[in-house]
Amino acid sequence: DIVMTQSPATLSVSPGERATLSCRASESVSSNLAWYQQKPGQGPRLLIHGASHRATGIPPRFSGSGSGTDFTLTISTLQSEDFAIYFCQQYNNWPLTWAFGQGTKVEI
Amino acid sequence: QVQLAESGGGVVQPGSSLRLSCAASGFTFSTYSMHWVRQPPGKGLEWVAVMWFDGTKEYYTDSVKGRFSISRDKSKNTLYLQMDTLRVEDTAIYYCAKDMTILGASGAFDHWGQGTLVSVSS
Repeated sequence: DIVMTQSPATLSVSPGERATLSCRASESVSSNLAWYQQKPGQGPRLLIHGASHRATGIPPRFSGSGSGTDFTLTISTLQSEDFAIYFCQQYNNWPLTWAFGQGTKVEI
Repeated sequence: QVQLAESGGGVVQPGSSLRLSCAASGFTFSTYSMHWVRQPPGKGLEWVAVMWFDGTKEYYTDSVKGRFSISRDKSKNTLYLQMDTLRVEDTAIYYCAKDMTILGASGAFDHWGQGTLVSVSS
């Protein structure tokens, strides 16, 4: 099974700063990689699909990059509403191993 | 707008059964595959099951095979998850999620519900 590993587990940043989150797959997932944002008490929200394509309604300060095994989510200028947990997910090796990373918490 | 509303969670004993429901609106239900994804309290996400948009295929994660069954009713725009022989380790918030690909299943989820909590405890 493909294992997704996110780093760091927690990222402490100030509003207005840039945040860079990493996600690594144990084997290539091509560009079949999604990023989700989750706030307390809510279901996740799709931010990025296809490694670099913003989902509908997602502001341009969110960007994704990478392919193969190494991926990055960048939040260019953190807003107060961006403090949340972020999960990556591969959907290359489906349907039995649609795997998520363990999450990165972005905190103030 | 797309809305997904889960219901049916609760507190049950090991070995019990529950049926979760997910009422969908705001999109053509019969053209999108639908998933269940769960999240143990304070932990990460785990994909559980998918039912194809046309009801012809269904897949499950290994840990629930033979115990859980996914189904959908297109006349009611509702997705279900029948959970039998529940275990303590099934305790989680269960989300239904819409696949982002029309007439297929990519495994990327573009809309999620708020979730329903299933707690299995003796």
